[in-house]
Amino acid sequence: AQTVTQSQPEMSVQEAETVTLSCTYDTSESDYYLFWYKQPPSRQMILVIRQEAYKQQNATENRFSVNFQKAAKSFSLKISDSQLGDAAMYFCAYGVGGGGADGLTFGKGTHLIIQP
Amino acid sequence: EPEVTQTPSHQVTQMGQEVILRCVPISNHLYFYWYRQILGQKVEFLVSFYNNEISEKSEIFDDQFSVERPDGSNFTLKIRSTKLEDSAMYFCASSEYRGYQPQHFGDGTRLSIL
Repeated sequence: AQTVTQSQPEMSVQEAETVTLSCTYDTSESDYYLFWYKQPPSRQMILVIRQEAYKQQNATENRFSVNFQKAAKSFSLKISDSQLGDAAMYFCAYGVGGGGADGLTFGKGTHLIIQP
Repeated sequence: EPEVTQTPSHQVTQMGQEVILRCVPISNHLYFYWYRQILGQKVEFLVSFYNNEISEKSEIFDDQFSVERPDGSNFTLKIRSTKLEDSAMYFCASSEYRGYQPQHFGDGTRLSIL
């Protein structure tokens, strides 16, 4: 079974600084996808960024970028120029492509605190 | 931008009662999902639905649960004979296809069982 591990229950960063959230996963699949979701206090789930496993190039979305290390099964999220609105729980999620399972597997989340 | 909408935002129910959570997926999406998040814990997959039938379900999705697409827009999760441990946030999600196409989540329904 696939597992997703987020080893940092909580991270704190000064506003305007850069922070990196860690995620590792375990899978025997070759076709899969990885996602970072943000959950602010309102508890909605917002897609931040996604990465296809077959792509070597790391995904970027404005201030958000990932460091995808396929061999190490690592998928970290870097947030540059942190803003107060970035404060939230961040969940790493894994999904299988092709004929695999439908449901996403989530990590336990990292609570990100932005210090003004 | 199209959104997944869920109603109600908060549902309070007596233990043993039946509850129906409602979702309107994004209109051109084909796959629909329900997830559960017990307070302070990770999001867990319950069930996926495609072509008017369950595509996949997790161990959590036992006979107490059922899903239905009663018309062309709504997608419902029914929980029969609710238990205290059913208290959680329930998220509906939809996607255009499987795999890389991301699952778009609704704002969730907070279910409180008394």
